Amino acid sequence: AAGVIQSPRHLIKEKRETATLKCYPIPRHDTVYWYQQGPGQDPQFLISFYEKMQSDKGSIPDRFSAQQFSDYHSELNMSSLELGDSALYFCASSSTRRSSSGANVLTFGAGSRLTVL
Amino acid sequence: DAKTTQPPSMDCAEGRAANLPCNHSTISGNEYVYWYRQIHSQGPQYIIHGLKNNETNEMASLIITEDRKSSTLILPHATLRDTAVYYCIVRPLNAGNNRKLIWGLGTSLGVNP
Repeated sequence: AAGVIQSPRHLIKEKRETATLKCYPIPRHDTVYWYQQGPGQDPQFLISFYEKMQSDKGSIPDRFSAQQFSDYHSELNMSSLELGDSALYFCASSSTRRSSSGANVLTFGAGSRLTVL
Repeated sequence: DAKTTQPPSMDCAEGRAANLPCNHSTISGNEYVYWYRQIHSQGPQYIIHGLKNNETNEMASLIITEDRKSSTLILPHATLRDTAVYYCIVRPLNAGNNRKLIWGLGTSLGVNP
């Protein structure tokens, strides 16, 4: 079965540069989430989209923005990169159309590792 | 979302059952208990969830106490590949637009040969 696809898997940037991460959710999933996980930390929720509209916002810096496109893929744009932005970035998707017992189960991608030098 | 409490770490011998506890004493009536795990540097993986009845799937069993204030995830025959951080999360099934998962500290399970 198709899973959540993230690209690139690894990315190296310099401080103050910009980076864009892409996420392709599972087909027919209507909700996409972005999480950031620093070294030794738990995943921190950044932002989510439901049917291409922003549905919830977490600890996403103002330097970051995200959107979901008509084909449901999502992109996380990060500008003015800082050393502290080095982390694993996970995208997840879920469907509200599944049976009630299966709703809100998140499927995660393999992550994109961003290193800021 | 209700807060959960888990032991920071546990060890288990390979082939034995791993029993991971979770306290969620402030759980609300409409909140489910979800378990995810994260193998080092991989994306979190859904394991199982339940409301009040015990649940079992191909990965694990979930035992929820009658008062729903705690639960136990059981891996019946732990293998080395089960070494991971296990997260217990409680959240409403119908969370509207607020469907994000709030991760706690989790339990780091070490399976030893």
